[in-house]
Amino acid sequence: AQSVTQPDIHITVSEGASLELRCNYSYGATPYLFWYVQSPGQGLQLLLKYFSGDTLVQGIKGFEAEFKRSQSSFNLRKPSVHWSDAAEYFCAPSIGGNKLTFGTGTQLKVEL
Amino acid sequence: NAGVMQNPRHLVRRRGQEARLRCSPMKGHSHVYWYRQLPEEGLKFMVYLQKENIIDESGMPKERFSAEFPKEGPSILRIQQVVRGDSAAYFCASSPPNSRDYEQYFGPGTRLTVT
Repeated sequence: AQSVTQPDIHITVSEGASLELRCNYSYGATPYLFWYVQSPGQGLQLLLKYFSGDTLVQGIKGFEAEFKRSQSSFNLRKPSVHWSDAAEYFCAPSIGGNKLTFGTGTQLKVEL
Repeated sequence: NAGVMQNPRHLVRRRGQEARLRCSPMKGHSHVYWYRQLPEEGLKFMVYLQKENIIDESGMPKERFSAEFPKEGPSILRIQQVVRGDSAAYFCASSPPNSRDYEQYFGPGTRLTVT
C-alpha cells in the first residue's frame, strides 16, 4: 500500500540553527514529491518539488530537499531557521501529480 | 491575479443541516481538488474535478458528500445532513490545464463546525 511517513510530529529549533524534517514514502514506483508549508489558519504553500533529475532541489524561502532513492526519503532542510519559519510542514508524494497524499505533518517551533 | 478563493471561511451548521462550500479557482485554472483536514491530522484527498467532470472521487465518503464544478461558476462541495464528525477544515486547490509542474494552488480553507 502507498504511504508517506513524517516521523517527527513536533520539532523545536533555535533561530539561526539548521533544520532537517524527515519524510519517507512507500510506493511501487518513484512518485512526484512535494513539500508544502501551512501557517496557522492559512492554506498551504508549495515550498519545492521533485520530479526527476538532480536529486537536490531548491525551493522558496531558502529551503532545499534531497531525494534519496535508496532510502525512499525526501528530507527538507534549511541551513539557518528564521522565527517566521514556524509553521506546519507537509510532505506529499503523488503518483501522476494530480492526487496528493499528505503526511501527518511536522509542527515546527522556533525559539528566539 | 487573485488566488484561489473559498467561501465562507467559517461555517457553523447544526446536525442534520446541509453545508455548501464554494471554491473559485485561480483565473485560467480548470482543475479543482478538494481536501479535508480533520483535527490533528494531515490533509486527505477527497475529489478531483475538471470543468463539468469528476475525474477522481476515490476519497469522497460514499454518502452525503457530493461535488461539482460547473461550466460557469465556482466548484461546490455539498455535505448533506451533517454530523459532528464532518467538522474539519476543507481546502480547495486548483491547477491550470496541461500543467507539467503539477503545482496545486491552495485556498485559505473553509472551517466547518457542526454543533
